[in-house]
Amino acid sequence: EVQLVESGGVVVHPGGSLRLSCAVSGFNFDAYTMHWVRQAPGKGLEWVSLISWDAVRTNYALSVRGRFTISRDNSKNSLYLHMNSLRTEDTALYFCAKAPTSYSGSWVPMDVWGQGTTVTVSS
Amino acid sequence: QTVVTQEASFSVSPGGTVTLTCALASGSVSAGYYPSWYQQTPGQAPRTLIYSTNTRSSGVPDRFSGSILGNKAALTITGAQADDESDYYCVLYMPSGFWVFGGGTRLTVL
Repeated sequence: EVQLVESGGVVVHPGGSLRLSCAVSGFNFDAYTMHWVRQAPGKGLEWVSLISWDAVRTNYALSVRGRFTISRDNSKNSLYLHMNSLRTEDTALYFCAKAPTSYSGSWVPMDVWGQGTTVTVSS
Repeated sequence: QTVVTQEASFSVSPGGTVTLTCALASGSVSAGYYPSWYQQTPGQAPRTLIYSTNTRSSGVPDRFSGSILGNKAALTITGAQADDESDYYCVLYMPSGFWVFGGGTRLTVL
């Protein structure tokens, strides 16, 4: 069974830093593009970032570019989101998601999702 | 700022058919935008219905179908059921290599 489990969400002050993790199992992690998507309280979904299966390609939403960094450790079946210079508007439930097809580029969307981890940025 | 638009709300009768759409504020949606559709009920993670225009995700019943209608991506639900009452989101892949979600459609079955 494919599983994605996010962790690392906490309450942090504006300007602070945080690293989210996504531990996966049940599929060949090193063959799939991965995404981070977030959802602010009571709002819609917002795509945040992606990383290709080989970590060669990454991309970011304009709202987080230059502040967030996506990475992966294929040896640990883990995806990460390093978040710096956090703002109150980064408060959200953060989901990781895998692409539906293996060895594909950044044009593959989200398919299987985790349950999310909550980040709260507040003074 | 790329804007993807969806109907804010829609209603359908049980057993009925409904088509939700996903449009670009400027320009036409084509298969090259790899439109995908997600269903989300309150407090739950999104569930993937359709990706790359018309490919059903694993386990999704064929009551759900995706297409391009005119200049928009579309999600059609046939034989609507009570548990189809959810928020539905589309997402498009932009030429610059990033993804943009629509604002979502709240579907009511009544």
